[in-house]
Amino acid sequence: AQSVTQLDSHVSVSEGTPVLLRCNYSSSYSPSLFWYVQHPNKGLQLLLKYTSAATLVKGINGFEAEFKKSETSFHLTKPSAHMSDAAEYFCVVLTLGDMRFGAGTRLTVKP
Amino acid sequence: GAVVSQHPSWVICKSGTSVKIECRSLDFQATTMFWYRQFPKQSLMLMATSNEGSKATYEQGVEKDKFLINHASLTLSTLTVTSAHPEDSSFYICSATTWGQPAETQYFGPGTRLLVL
Repeated sequence: AQSVTQLDSHVSVSEGTPVLLRCNYSSSYSPSLFWYVQHPNKGLQLLLKYTSAATLVKGINGFEAEFKKSETSFHLTKPSAHMSDAAEYFCVVLTLGDMRFGAGTRLTVKP
Repeated sequence: GAVVSQHPSWVICKSGTSVKIECRSLDFQATTMFWYRQFPKQSLMLMATSNEGSKATYEQGVEKDKFLINHASLTLSTLTVTSAHPEDSSFYICSATTWGQPAETQYFGPGTRLLVL
């Protein structure tokens, strides 16, 4: 069995400040991990993915995430938030064809 | 990169009618396709998994007679919402996986918004 927990349902930051969206996972096997972003009324867009290569993964739009096996975490970060980053973010764990989504974290960016 | 399309992107229908949603992998062969639904301000919930040429596997609580899934080829899966009712109004998203990658990779369609009046 596997699961994923996004620790914050809502994160609010000011424009230009760092972003941290937290994700913990549970999996019996070596998982693939993803972060997706969903803007209002839009489909999912892949930000980045971890697939057992480098533990620090760089994605699009300046986002990156670090896979920490000892902490079973895959937190998403960005050094400086932009207004266009405001959206819903989903952490996803994928093992042997079974994909599980986190509940999502809504990121609000204040001017 | 791999592209998955969905058609239609929007559909409005009367209660009691059936609605078919198509999911296509445009430039790769999808070994498996997944169907999700998403209620407003909620996460995606997996409805069913389908492999080409075989019956779909439904998640617990999903009525297979209500949500008919056909995966006739390696590039097309369809979801038919039969006798739709207002509570079926939702955002339906498909995704497709393909082998040959370092690890499993899943590609998402843009979603279909269904509104049942």
